[in-house]
Amino acid sequence: DGGITQSPKYLFRKEGQNVTLSCEQNLNHDAMYWYRQDPGQGLRLIYYSQIVNDFQKGDIAEGYSVSREKKESFPLTVTSAQKNPTAFYLCASSGAPNQPQHFGDGTRLSIL
Amino acid sequence: AQSVTQLDSQVPVFEEAPVELRCNYSSSVSVYLFWYVQYPNQGLQLLLKYLSGSTLVKGINGFEAEFNKSQTSFHLRKPSVHISDTAEYFCAASSGSARQLTFGSGTQLTVLP
Repeated sequence: DGGITQSPKYLFRKEGQNVTLSCEQNLNHDAMYWYRQDPGQGLRLIYYSQIVNDFQKGDIAEGYSVSREKKESFPLTVTSAQKNPTAFYLCASSGAPNQPQHFGDGTRLSIL
Repeated sequence: AQSVTQLDSQVPVFEEAPVELRCNYSSSVSVYLFWYVQYPNQGLQLLLKYLSGSTLVKGINGFEAEFNKSQTSFHLRKPSVHISDTAEYFCAASSGSARQLTFGSGTQLTVLP
């Protein structure tokens, strides 16, 4: 089945450590997105990419980095500069402009 | 920039009663509107979308929404809810040719037996 796969489902980070969240899609979508979800705050856009080898900062990019070397993959690295990384992270993709975004099942990141 | 306001953070309702979840967006020349549902520890699932045409949009699970341009609203309704409708609901909007979505802060719908 076509869809978006995020891994791992749960992730723990130690102080000063970088961690990478995986997002893979087989929907042949050009655009991919990373969101952070905190209770009561809805979804906030971290980074997005509209095409391979190009990406743009969203509203809360500080402390995060991404790459888009393949159409199918858009990994997110949470760096040690992100002081409050505990959250639920959602990856999404979309095809043509104004079409709905499709979401993965998320990764929950916690601090040890 | 687009903004989306969900007026109620929590809506409790008894089973088989009707429900309306409210959403307002900032005015734009062209706007595209979506409702998503999120069950605990899962991603978002599309309920319905408004791109153009009929202002009454029907979605999955018996939900519908009405686009009201004069009131800049896109309220979600269901005539009779079930326990299984308990979830968080998000309204989202995009403008023009933009692919980015702006989300509301969400409404937690709790259906009581």
